[in-house]
Amino acid sequence: EDQVTQSPEALRLQEGESSSLNCSYTVSGLRGLFWYRQDPGKGPEFLFTLYSAGEEKEKERLKATLTKKESFLHITAPKPEDSATYLCAVQAWGQFYFGTGTSLTVIP
Amino acid sequence: DTEVTQTPKHLVMGMTNKKSLKCEQHMGHRAMYWYKQKAKKPPELMFVYSYEKLSINESVPSRFSPECPNSSLLNLHLHALQPEDSALYLCASSHGPGQKNQPQHFGDGTRLSIL
Repeated sequence: EDQVTQSPEALRLQEGESSSLNCSYTVSGLRGLFWYRQDPGKGPEFLFTLYSAGEEKEKERLKATLTKKESFLHITAPKPEDSATYLCAVQAWGQFYFGTGTSLTVIP
Repeated sequence: DTEVTQTPKHLVMGMTNKKSLKCEQHMGHRAMYWYKQKAKKPPELMFVYSYEKLSINESVPSRFSPECPNSSLLNLHLHALQPEDSALYLCASSHGPGQKNQPQHFGDGTRLSIL
């Protein structure tokens, strides 16, 4: 059964305290893995696309990596404005599977 | 600002009302999607349109009726909704549901409340 699991469910960090979010997946025929950021009351905002194992993408304090079974979203020296829910989604043969998300709170 | 525009942003309706949600994209995408999202949950897929034809209907009750008038527009017609239908309704678009490595781009949603 195709499945996407994110951990942890919630994460509280002090400003400047780096950490990583995990997205594990079991799908047949991976056609892309995507990271999104979602603020309360807003739609998911696209961050990164990953496709090949070993691939890495960076944007400001965020870096996404991909292996054959999981992806990590590394947050370096986070700021309070990085507080949001981070969603991972996997595309497999036309279907899009979302993980349950990680709620990140960065405390000043 | 998102490139997928949804109207209205908020909608309050009674269980006997008929209303429509609207979505527009100008990115040249040929696939459009409706999702329902409850608080603290991920988006749940409702419908997929590919080249203006309905390709996926995730067993959604008939009180939700999608329509795709052209490649840029997507509507969701609502009738006789139940209180449990209160949620954030998200529209998304992408180059095509079968094309690999193509993310979906989301609007900011319509917050729907059923009285």
